[in-house]
Amino acid sequence: GQQLNQSPQSMFIQEGEDVSMNCTSSSIFNTWLWYKQDPGEGPVLLIALYKAGELTSNGRLTAQFGITRKDSFLNISASIPSDVGIYFCAGRTGNQFYFGTGTSLTVIP
Amino acid sequence: SQTIHQWPATLVQPVGSPLSLECTVEGTSNPNLYWYRQAAGRGLQLLFYSVGIGQISSEVPQNLSASRPQDRQFILSSKKLLLSDSGFYLCAWSVVQGSGYTFGSGTRLTVV
Repeated sequence: GQQLNQSPQSMFIQEGEDVSMNCTSSSIFNTWLWYKQDPGEGPVLLIALYKAGELTSNGRLTAQFGITRKDSFLNISASIPSDVGIYFCAGRTGNQFYFGTGTSLTVIP
Repeated sequence: SQTIHQWPATLVQPVGSPLSLECTVEGTSNPNLYWYRQAAGRGLQLLFYSVGIGQISSEVPQNLSASRPQDRQFILSSKKLLLSDSGFYLCAWSVVQGSGYTFGSGTRLTVV
């Protein structure tokens, strides 16, 4: 399958700090999705991106579809304790989505 | 509105025992259905997907099988569980292939 490299693997930040994570691939994707997974739960869709260069926000979250179509970025501003979880990117090629290995985020109050 | 149900939430099974996990979707017709496994809280591995009743595609050869007896029902099975089958199993659905997935709440399977 396609390889999506997600970085960083884990982050420990202070409450109130901004967070940046990214997802890269050697392949071109037509859609990028960002999910958040709380412990013991299924991933929940945060943001969907459909066009190269697209920048989309959802509250304190902002994601971008890279111009090369091989990467995507997720930023979280002013982090709060409930932002804790694992964030997954997913890229679509054809009719198949491929998931990154996740970024584990810990927010220290 | 569409909802996805997955059960049980937690399961502890001995090695060699059979397995049956069930997933149902409500509020939509002819969904695309998926089974994923997540090991060690990271990395989603696609196991099976189905675009219609009786249509199953396997992504990874393994000890598991899937069936879709009804339009909105997807079942993950095994005849004899292995220790390596332990993990977090997630069912998901999408409207069409290539659209975003909605995940169920998952089943934590521990094989002992």
